[in-house]
Amino acid sequence: GENVEQHPSTLSVQEGDSAVIKCTYSDSASNYFPWYKQELGKRPQLIIDIRSNVGEKKDQRIAVTLNKTAKHFSLHITETQPEDSAVYFCAASTWVLTGGGNKLTFGTGTQLKVEL
Amino acid sequence: NAGVTQTPKFRILKIGQSMTLQCAQDMNHNYMYWYRQDPGMGLKLIYYSVGAGITDKGEVPNGYNVSRSTTEDFPLRLELAAPSQTSVYFCASVWTGGKTGELFFGEGSRLTVL
Repeated sequence: GENVEQHPSTLSVQEGDSAVIKCTYSDSASNYFPWYKQELGKRPQLIIDIRSNVGEKKDQRIAVTLNKTAKHFSLHITETQPEDSAVYFCAASTWVLTGGGNKLTFGTGTQLKVEL
Repeated sequence: NAGVTQTPKFRILKIGQSMTLQCAQDMNHNYMYWYRQDPGMGLKLIYYSVGAGITDKGEVPNGYNVSRSTTEDFPLRLELAAPSQTSVYFCASVWTGGKTGELFFGEGSRLTVL
C-alpha cells in the first residue's frame, strides 16, 4: 500500500517568515495530494490540494508543489501569522470517480509554531 | 447542513467492554471513512465504505467492525475493547464526483480504555 513520510515533525518560525513542509510518497499510482490543517482539539480541515497533472498550485499565502518523478510534494506558507500555528498533515491517494481507491494515506504531521 | 456528526464525543470503557461509535452525514456523500488518530502518528484508516452495503478494510481494521445500511450512517463497532484502542476516532465523508476530493470530518470521538 501507499506510504507517506512527512518532515519535519516540528517547525518553529518567526512571524512573517516562510514555512516549508515536505512529504514523500511511495505509490506511483497516487494522483491526489491534499494538505490538512488541524488546530488543537479540532477536526482536520482541507487547506489546499493538488492533482498529479499539475506541478504547482497557489492560494493566497499557501502553495503546494509536486514532483512526480521524485515522488515528493511540499507545502509552502509565506508571511506566516500566529493563526497559522497548528498541525499540518499531507496525504496521498489514487483518486477515481467510482470503484476502489480514494483512500487517503496521511503523513504523521508537522507541528508548526509561529512565534511573535 | 449539519455535515458529519459523531457521537459520543468522549467515552471511557473498561477492558473487554464493547461499544459503537455513531457517524452520520447529511451531504449525500458516497464514500465514508473511519480514521483513528494517535499522538504523533497521523491518521490511520480503519474501515471505509464506497456506498450503502459496501465496506472494506483499511490499514488497521483489527478489533473493529462497520456496517453501512444507508448512505447517511456508518457506525464503528468496537468489540472486546483493549487499551491499544485508546485514541481519537474521526469519521469522514466525501463525494467523489465533485471537483475536489475534500474529506469532511466529524468533530472526533475521544475513547479511553482502562
